[in-house]
Amino acid sequence: AQTVTQSQPEMSVQEAETVTLSCTYDTSESDYYLFWYKQPPSRQMILVIRQEAYKQQNATENRFSVNFQKAAKSFSLKISDSQLGDAAMYFCAYRLRRTSGSRLTFGEGTQLTVNP
Amino acid sequence: DSGVTQTPKHLITATGQRVTLRCSPRSGDLSVYWYQQSLDQGLQFLIQYYNGEERAKGNILERFSAQQFPDLHSELNLSSLELGDSALYFCASSATEDYGYTFGSGTRLTVV
Repeated sequence: AQTVTQSQPEMSVQEAETVTLSCTYDTSESDYYLFWYKQPPSRQMILVIRQEAYKQQNATENRFSVNFQKAAKSFSLKISDSQLGDAAMYFCAYRLRRTSGSRLTFGEGTQLTVNP
Repeated sequence: DSGVTQTPKHLITATGQRVTLRCSPRSGDLSVYWYQQSLDQGLQFLIQYYNGEERAKGNILERFSAQQFPDLHSELNLSSLELGDSALYFCASSATEDYGYTFGSGTRLTVV
């Protein structure tokens, strides 16, 4: 079974600074996707960034980027120029690539606080 | 608006009762997923439907059941409710080959 581990229950960062959230996963599969989701106080699940396992290039979305290390099964999220609106719970997630869809397996989450 | 519609947004009910949560997926998406998020917890996968058929089951209790109808909307039925069933229940949908999920805004269930 696939598992996703986020070892940092809480993180904090100063506004405008950079923070990195860690995630490791365990799988015997080679074709999968990895995601970071953000859950603000509204509890809405918002997709932040996604990475295809077959792509070596790290994904980037504006201030958000990942460091994907497939051999190490590591998938960290870097948030640059942190803003107050980035404060949220962040979940790392894994999904097998299947034509009929497949479940997302989530980590336990990291609560990010942004200090003004 | 994510395109995935969940109703109701809030539900308060008593122990022992039965409730139905409804989800309308994003247009064109064939897969529907249900997740449970208890207070300060991560998301636990309950069940997946693909084009009307059950495709995968997760940690879903026997008191819970779900179905997906021909118009692709889905319902999650929770019966003999207990206090511990209080949680946020998310529905998400995805297209066949799409690697992304779209989540609804959730139904907050409170059992008193």
